[in-house]
Amino acid sequence: EAQVTQNPRYLITVTGKKLTVTCSQNMNHEYMSWYRQDPGLGLRQIYYSMNVEVTDKGDVPEGYKVSRKEKRNFPLILESPSPNQTSLYFCASSVQGGNTEAFFGQGTRLTVV
Amino acid sequence: QQQVKQSPQSLIVQKGGISIINCAYENTAFDYFPWYQQFPGKGPALLIAIRPDVSEKKEGRFTISFNKSAKQFSLHIMDSQPGDSATYFCAASTFSGTYKYIFGTGTRLKVLA
Repeated sequence: EAQVTQNPRYLITVTGKKLTVTCSQNMNHEYMSWYRQDPGLGLRQIYYSMNVEVTDKGDVPEGYKVSRKEKRNFPLILESPSPNQTSLYFCASSVQGGNTEAFFGQGTRLTVV
Repeated sequence: QQQVKQSPQSLIVQKGGISIINCAYENTAFDYFPWYQQFPGKGPALLIAIRPDVSEKKEGRFTISFNKSAKQFSLHIMDSQPGDSATYFCAASTFSGTYKYIFGTGTRLKVLA
C-alpha cells in the first residue's frame, strides 16, 4: 500500500529537549516536505527536499532542521523545542512538488511544555 | 502576493444542500489549483484539482469552478452528506525554483443529518 508513515503520532516533551519526528514514504517520490497545521493558519511549509541531499527552507523554518540521506526518509529535527512549536505536523511526498498530488502522513501532534 | 485567501472559515449545511467554499489569489503565475479534504485525525488527501486552461472540473458531487479574470476558484459540493463533514483546504502552486503549494487557511464543513 502506497503510504507516508510518520512517527510518533503523539508526543509531549519539555522545552529544550531535542526530538526527532520520522517520516518515510514507499512511493519512490523525489519531493518531500514538512508542514505544520495551526488553527486559523492552515498548512505552512517548514522545509522541503527535492531529492537526496537537497533540502531548502519553506515559509516557517526557524527552530527546525531536516536531513535527506535516503530517498524514502525525511526526518524533522527540533534541537531545542519551545512552546510555540506546539502544533500538528505533517510530512508529505509527491512526484514533483506542488504541481502534482501530495500524499500526506497521518500527522504528529506535538506538545512542548 | 503568495497568499491564498479562503472563506468561509466554517460552514454548516443541511444534508442534501450545496456547500460552497471560495478561494482567491493574487499571483497570476499560479498554474495548479488543488483542493484537499481532511478528516479528523487524518492527513489531508487530494480531492480534486484544476489547471487554469479550463473553467470547471467535475468529479461526482464535487466541482471546481475557476474564474481566471477574477483570480478566484471555488469548490461546490452538491447533495452534501454527513460523510462530507471535514476540513477543506484550497491550494495554489507555481514554479519558483521549485514547485510549492500555498495553502488556504481551511474551511471546517459540518453537514447536518
